[in-house]
Amino acid sequence: GNSVTQMEGPVTLSEEAFLTINCTYTATGYPSLFWYVQYPGEGLQLLLKATKADDKGSNKGFEATYRKETTSFHLEKGSVQVSDSAVYFCALHNSGGSNYKLTFGKGTLLTVNP
Amino acid sequence: DVKVTQSSRYLVKRTGEKVFLECVQDMDHENMFWYRQDPGLGLRLIYFSYDVKMKEKGDIPEGYSVSREKKERFSLILESASTNQTSMYLCASSLLQPLNGANVLTFGAGSRLTVL
Repeated sequence: GNSVTQMEGPVTLSEEAFLTINCTYTATGYPSLFWYVQYPGEGLQLLLKATKADDKGSNKGFEATYRKETTSFHLEKGSVQVSDSAVYFCALHNSGGSNYKLTFGKGTLLTVNP
Repeated sequence: DVKVTQSSRYLVKRTGEKVFLECVQDMDHENMFWYRQDPGLGLRLIYFSYDVKMKEKGDIPEGYSVSREKKERFSLILESASTNQTSMYLCASSLLQPLNGANVLTFGAGSRLTVL
């Protein structure tokens, strides 16, 4: 079956630090990969996505590259801000399946201090 | 701005009560989902629906049922609430045919349910 493993948090950084949140996956076929972000008191929203190997998704200074050889989709940002404090979820959708559900990782809480 | 709206942000119910969580989307999406979010467990799918009156069990359907009488509305029902159903419940929707192979979910803000 499909599964997503992401690094456990919490992660605490100072403003302007470099961020990496690791995500690896197990899936048959060629899944699409996503990062969702959940700000305090809100639902999840899409941060970025990649639909095939070597694609790079990017948004708001965050990037992640779909690496099929290592089954990874690590999230990076060169300089975090206090406003990036949130929970980050890695997810996959296996388009070869008969349903449309996403499989999520357990989430990583990021706290950025001024 | 497109939206998924969950009618109640916070609910407090007693054990054994029947609980309805309502979700409405205005994007004409075919798929709708109910997830449960718990610390350390992430998001777990309870039920989803790909059409009116159609439903499929997710990973943790026990103790829950759903109703989809109209395309825009998807209700989660707890027939007899229990304390272990205290959680954050998230509704989401998506297109039946993903654009560019990427099934992007749009989420509501969540409903935090406490069962005493």
